[in-house]
Amino acid sequence: DTTVKQNPRYKLARVGKPVNLICSQTMNHDTMYWYQKKPNQAPKLLLFYYDKILNREADTFEKFQSSRPNNSFCSLYIGSAGLEYSAMYLCASSRDYYAEQFFGPGTRLTVL
Amino acid sequence: GDQVEQSPSALSLHEGTGSALRCNFTTTMRAVQWFRKNSRGSLINLFYLASGTKENGRLKSAFDSKERYSTLHIRDAQLEDSGTYFCAAGDTGNYKYVFGAGTRLKVIA
Repeated sequence: DTTVKQNPRYKLARVGKPVNLICSQTMNHDTMYWYQKKPNQAPKLLLFYYDKILNREADTFEKFQSSRPNNSFCSLYIGSAGLEYSAMYLCASSRDYYAEQFFGPGTRLTVL
Repeated sequence: GDQVEQSPSALSLHEGTGSALRCNFTTTMRAVQWFRKNSRGSLINLFYLASGTKENGRLKSAFDSKERYSTLHIRDAQLEDSGTYFCAAGDTGNYKYVFGAGTRLKVIA
């Protein structure tokens, strides 16, 4: 089973409100990633976990937080949503840093 | 500059013909993946390569780490092949994948 699950599939949020997105995988993968995807753009890596170690990209460091309470589960947290956060958020996992990534179906976030 | 340069950015093919998409890398990459974006916006795995070539049906991919490129060949294109294709390369120095900008493929009858 190479399934990565994401919840919710669609999320509507108000400007200034928090948002919490959830991802899970049962492949026992060490690495889990969060990407932001906007129309006509490449997926943009926000952060990734290798085991319990969180790595955040420099340009999104202050905007996104994450937690990984166990190997299977990873969340993405936005403390105060802005209009610019409207996007598809894709979670992926892989056995190791350079192993094959498997993507979830995504959560489409709309901030109003 | 960008570590992964994907070309062409857009491509039109007649049904039954073929072409190649290419990703050039500015540094040594550990592995490469090719994806196709589905109608919902998620990414479907096409190929994962650490070296060499792989083939699956009408698709074939190659990765040369030393020469710093990867290709995705499509033959006998069908209408349902239309969509956006991405390459992503594993950056040896930074322990993460870097995506190309994507190729929008349109197959026309």
